[in-house]
Amino acid sequence: GAVVSQHPSRVICKSGTSVKIECRSLDFQATTMFWYRQFPKKSLMLMATSNEGSKATYEQGVEKDKFLINHASLTLSTLTVTSAHPEDSSFYICSARDDSSYNTGELFFGEGSRLTVL
Amino acid sequence: DAKTTQPTSMDCAEGRAANLPCNHSTISGNEYVYWYRQIHSQGPQYIIHGLKNNETNEMASLIITEDRKSSTLILPHATLRDTAVYYCIVRVANSGYALNFGKGTSLLVTP
Repeated sequence: GAVVSQHPSRVICKSGTSVKIECRSLDFQATTMFWYRQFPKKSLMLMATSNEGSKATYEQGVEKDKFLINHASLTLSTLTVTSAHPEDSSFYICSARDDSSYNTGELFFGEGSRLTVL
Repeated sequence: DAKTTQPTSMDCAEGRAANLPCNHSTISGNEYVYWYRQIHSQGPQYIIHGLKNNETNEMASLIITEDRKSSTLILPHATLRDTAVYYCIVRVANSGYALNFGKGTSLLVTP
């Protein structure tokens, strides 16, 4: 099956610093990727939709200036948490749709990145 | 996307079949049923999806009722590694939108 890789898998940072998380589709091209956030014992919440070559679309309540998304190529999207605070500590998960299997609709997910802000 | 209803939790003995139900009574004619699971501290994993016919792959079987208002995911021989949260999601296949996750069913497979 299609593989989506996230890096880093775990990151600890100090409050006020910025953290970048990468999401790569390893064996397929993905014009569209999605970023989710998951708090402990909660379900995944969609943060934004990332489209290659254009601005991301953010869900209501998600600050675009705090969560910067860049999708510069068909295989890479990045999420940068700027000026991180402890309340930003969470499990961040990316997802990608294989451009060649658009009609079947399944999405493939990365392994997730656990961010801890001290 | 149509809403789905799943039991909060279920138990299953190792080696037995796990049958996970999902209600989607407002499903539209062009919406598929997707199943994903999430093992603790990992990203969701695609399991199977279907429109109206029953489907089977190496992981599971999906049984969809004739009126398409409900479905059942079957893990034929559950193992301890199948312990996870299972999500049933209804969505148009060629939609450009993300998957919306509900609360899912927490399946515990016991020895």
